[in-house]
Amino acid sequence: AQSVTQPDIHITVSEGASLELRCNYSYGATPYLFWYVQSPGQGLQLLLKYFSGDTLVQGIKGFEAEFKRSQSSFNLRKPSVHWSDAAEYFCAVALNQAGTALIFGKGTTLSVSS
Amino acid sequence: EAGVVQSPRYKIIEKKQPVAFWCNPISGHNTLYWYRQNLGQGPELLIRYENEEAVDDSQLPKDRFSAERLKGVDSTLKIQPAELGDSAVYLCASSKGTLNTEAFFGQGTRLTVV
Repeated sequence: AQSVTQPDIHITVSEGASLELRCNYSYGATPYLFWYVQSPGQGLQLLLKYFSGDTLVQGIKGFEAEFKRSQSSFNLRKPSVHWSDAAEYFCAVALNQAGTALIFGKGTTLSVSS
Repeated sequence: EAGVVQSPRYKIIEKKQPVAFWCNPISGHNTLYWYRQNLGQGPELLIRYENEEAVDDSQLPKDRFSAERLKGVDSTLKIQPAELGDSAVYLCASSKGTLNTEAFFGQGTRLTVV
């Protein structure tokens, strides 16, 4: 069965510092990969997605992620974190089929210190 | 374009009482999902609809949970009777249901069972 692991439950980063959130997946083939962000009391907002092609994908708010097939990873990065980036971040996978549901990791809480 | 609309945003009920959540997906989205998000966890799929047909309800606790999407547009998720362990955020999402399309999430309904 497919699964997603986010090894870091909570990360604290200084404002202006770089960020990397880890995500590993378990799946027999290349799945669709996603990163969502959830601010308190809000729904999930898509940051970026990977379906195929270039393994480095750019998203909104200055985020990017790199798909590494050999490591079954899809880590999220941002070169300079802003205080407004403090939120919960979820990595998710979906089967390479139309309309299939997302399988989420447990999330990483990002705190930003000044 | 309006996003996925859910109501109510918050609901507090006593255990053993019934409760219902409503979701209106994005216009033209054939696929509708209900997820449950427990505190500190990622969302987990309860049920997925393709138009009015429930195509994946394997994770729906059918003894107390029910869902419907009668005209293939909006949907209702019901719990009867509610238990303390049902306290969670219930998220609705929709997608076009075709390859390479993403799911869009509503803001969710936070249910507290006391």
